[in-house]
Amino acid sequence: GQNIDQPTEMTATEGAIVQINCTYQTSGFNGLFWYQQHAGEAPTFLSYNVLDGLEEKGRFSSFLSRSKGYSYLLLKELQMKDSASYLCAVRANTGFQKLVFGTGTRLLVSP
Amino acid sequence: DTEVTQTPKHLVMGMTNKKSLKCEQHMGHRAMYWYKQKAKKPPELMFVYSYEKLSINESVPSRFSPECPNSSLLNLHLHALQPEDSALYLCASGRQNNEKLFFGSGTQLSVL
Repeated sequence: GQNIDQPTEMTATEGAIVQINCTYQTSGFNGLFWYQQHAGEAPTFLSYNVLDGLEEKGRFSSFLSRSKGYSYLLLKELQMKDSASYLCAVRANTGFQKLVFGTGTRLLVSP
Repeated sequence: DTEVTQTPKHLVMGMTNKKSLKCEQHMGHRAMYWYKQKAKKPPELMFVYSYEKLSINESVPSRFSPECPNSSLLNLHLHALQPEDSALYLCASGRQNNEKLFFGSGTQLSVL
C-alpha cells in the first residue's frame, strides 16, 4: 500500500518563497505528481518527477529523492492566487495510472 | 479540446433515488477514473477504466455502479446512497502511461 504525508496547513506572505514537503512510502513507485486545487474546483497538474532531482517550471519547482521517499514543491514570488491546496500524488507501479493522493497542504498567502 | 466535462455540477438526491453522473472527454485518452473527495480531504480513487474495461475497483460499495459506454464517456450510476456518500465526485482521464491526469470540475453530491 501507500502512505503519503504532507503538512496540513502553511501560511506565507505575498512575494515570499514557500516549500511544501511530501514524504511517501509505497510498495511500487512510478512517478510523483504535484497538483493544485482551489476550493470547490478540480485539481490541476503542476509538476511531475520520476527521476531524482529538481524540475523547474516558472515560479514552481519540484524536487524528488527516491532513496529518501521525499519530494518538495517550491513556490517562488508568491501571489494571492496561489492560496490553494497542494496535493502530492504517487503513481503506483501497476501498469495503469493509479494515482494515490497525499493528505494535501492548504496554503494561505497573505498580503 | 483539453477538457473533461462532468454533469451535473450539483446534485441533491434522496436515499431511495437513482441518479447518474456523467463524464466526457475528447482527448483520445483510454484511461478514465472516478475519484471521491470529501471536504478538506484528498481525492480517493474509486474506479479505473482502461480501454473501456474496468481495471481497478477500490472496494467501492455496490450502490455505486460505473459504466464506460465508449472511449469518450464514463458514467457513475447511483442507487440507495447514504448521507455519508455526500462528496465531490471527480472524473479524470489520461493516456495509459502519460505523466498527468486531466480532471473534470466535479459533481457536488448531497444525499439527504
